[in-house]
Amino acid sequence: KNEVEQSPQNLTAQEGEFITINCSYSVGISALHWLQQHPGGGIVSLFMLSSGKKKHGRLIATINIQEKHSSLHITASHPRDSAVYICAVRVGGNQFYFGTGTSLTVIP
Amino acid sequence: DSGVTQTPKHLITATGQRVTLRCSPRSGDLSVYWYQQSLDQGLQFLIQYYNGEERAKGNILERFSAQQFPDLHSELNLSSLELGDSALYFCASSVAGGEQFFGPGTRLTVL
Repeated sequence: KNEVEQSPQNLTAQEGEFITINCSYSVGISALHWLQQHPGGGIVSLFMLSSGKKKHGRLIATINIQEKHSSLHITASHPRDSAVYICAVRVGGNQFYFGTGTSLTVIP
Repeated sequence: DSGVTQTPKHLITATGQRVTLRCSPRSGDLSVYWYQQSLDQGLQFLIQYYNGEERAKGNILERFSAQQFPDLHSELNLSSLELGDSALYFCASSVAGGEQFFGPGTRLTVL
């Protein structure tokens, strides 16, 4: 049983499209992280959320604590957004559980 | 560049051997986290240190151990290596429990 489920697993979009990646979790959390991993392997933290909504450039992350659900939106997608996006939740003091990732390909 | 450094970048070794992975956190960060990423298990949290003390333990095997030194760098020791230990090992650092900054990872191959 996975504490964190992401959908879709794979996503292909045309450049300029609006993209949504979803994350659902089954445990009580203290924070949720969205991570980006490029093909080279490096991981970048995009957002850390405990409530509401955050925006950074073309990226928007929302969380609904009651629904145990978070979304990552990418507006005006670009080929450089092609990466794996991973949702991670922090449980209690300092335990972390990860989704299996969403592989995004943006075609020019 | 996240400011977190990890050495070595690549490590190839044999089953039964012992290796040490090193992580230097960003200047000012007191927390260090270790993660394992394998093809079949994805990302898994191993362990966290805060200012030299163990703060949380995840799915870390008994054959693995870690420590954080007074200068805040951390080492992850993997012993009695098995083929299944082949993975990318990431460390990350944060000021306390906030946003984490990831190092470039160490790719371990056990033959």
